[in-house]
Amino acid sequence: GENVEQHPSTLSVQEGDSAVIKCTYSDSASNYFPWYKQELGKRPQLIIDIRSNVGEKKDQRIAVTLNKTAKHFSLHITETQPEDSAVYFCAASREGGSEKLVFGKGTKLTVNP
Amino acid sequence: EPEVTQTPSHQVTQMGQEVILRCVPISNHLYFYWYRQILGQKVEFLVSFYNNEISEKSEIFDDQFSVERPDGSNFTLKIRSTKLEDSAMYFCASSVLNTGELFFGEGSRLTVL
Repeated sequence: GENVEQHPSTLSVQEGDSAVIKCTYSDSASNYFPWYKQELGKRPQLIIDIRSNVGEKKDQRIAVTLNKTAKHFSLHITETQPEDSAVYFCAASREGGSEKLVFGKGTKLTVNP
Repeated sequence: EPEVTQTPSHQVTQMGQEVILRCVPISNHLYFYWYRQILGQKVEFLVSFYNNEISEKSEIFDDQFSVERPDGSNFTLKIRSTKLEDSAMYFCASSVLNTGELFFGEGSRLTVL
């Protein structure tokens, strides 16, 4: 089955710096890669996703890149703000609605003011 | 904006007792899921449900667990005889056919004593 590895487990940056979180996946049939942000005690919320037919997607300060050959994808946050502090999870699935998401172990991002 | 709702938000139970966690998915969604998150760990897939039957289940989802959609709106997770290690946050999620995007509920925190 699919296995998703995520690094780093913790990341501390200064406000205004960039943050990069990396994930690798094992199942070459996976074609949907979402990123979720989870604040303490809250539900995971989708912040951006990418499908395997594109290599990069951007939404304001957040971008995701995908390298299908190497089976890795990354989350980039630019101009970080204290409210970006949270745990970020990457995930992978075979898109189709019934396929489960397999999550990475999460990255705790702390943005220091 | 439509949301997945879950009840109860927190339940404390004695080991060996039965627990039912309830979820109301977003009304036009067709796929339903239960995930769990042990404190400080990653989100883990339990079961997916489509067309009134289980599509897939993980090895965590043993005979103590069952799911049901009794009335076309509620989606329930039952744990027949709870164990200490069942203590976790349980998230319900739903998705529309073929998008892959999951919408999570706020979670039900289960504490087994």
